[in-house]
Amino acid sequence: DIQMTQSPSSLSASVGDRVTITCRASQSIRSYLNWYRQKPGKAPQLLIYAASGLQSGVPSRFSGRGSGTDFTLTISSLQPEDFATYYCQQSYTIPPTFGGGTKVDIK
Amino acid sequence: QVQLQESGPGLVKPSETLSLTCTVSGVSISSTTFYWGWIRQTPGKGLEWIGTIYYTGSTYYNPSLTSRVTVSIDMSKNQFSLKVTSVTAADTAVYYCARQYFYGSGSPREMDYWGQGTLVTVSS
Repeated sequence: DIQMTQSPSSLSASVGDRVTITCRASQSIRSYLNWYRQKPGKAPQLLIYAASGLQSGVPSRFSGRGSGTDFTLTISSLQPEDFATYYCQQSYTIPPTFGGGTKVDIK
Repeated sequence: QVQLQESGPGLVKPSETLSLTCTVSGVSISSTTFYWGWIRQTPGKGLEWIGTIYYTGSTYYNPSLTSRVTVSIDMSKNQFSLKVTSVTAADTAVYYCARQYFYGSGSPREMDYWGQGTLVTVSS
């Protein structure tokens, strides 16, 4: 299985901050990388697909970059609803695998 | 709009079979554009993909679970289902169903719609 490693595992930030989360794959996954946001008690919500595609209805403050093994998710100006846990997921091969998550909380 | 809803028992005894159904609305489960999958989440192992099915009945399973898992589809009811046999406490999790995009070749891709999740506890 392809291992997905996120960093940091948690961070503290304030409303309006720029936040960047990193995801690394154990082998090349080309651009088959997706990002999700999960609020407490809710299902994950797709934010970014294929490394940089903004999912319909997702605010433009979210952006993704990368290819191969290294990827980033950036939130340009953190909003109150963005305090949540973020997951990356590779869809290059079966089984699809998720990173361990990055919890973003209020500083 | 597209909605997915999991249903099934919240408590299963060890060694028995866990059975869940996902009811899909707002889109036909026989669409050629989507696969339909199951994912579970535990505090210890995080998010774990279980398996996925296409309208043709073609399935993919997680190798770590394949001997105990079956995913099936019922197009007449616009539903798909999950069975996990011989459950143990390690199968206690929140189970989600989700829609996965299929672009015509390769693996199923991003999961764009999810059910709300259902907690299944394995205990006697």
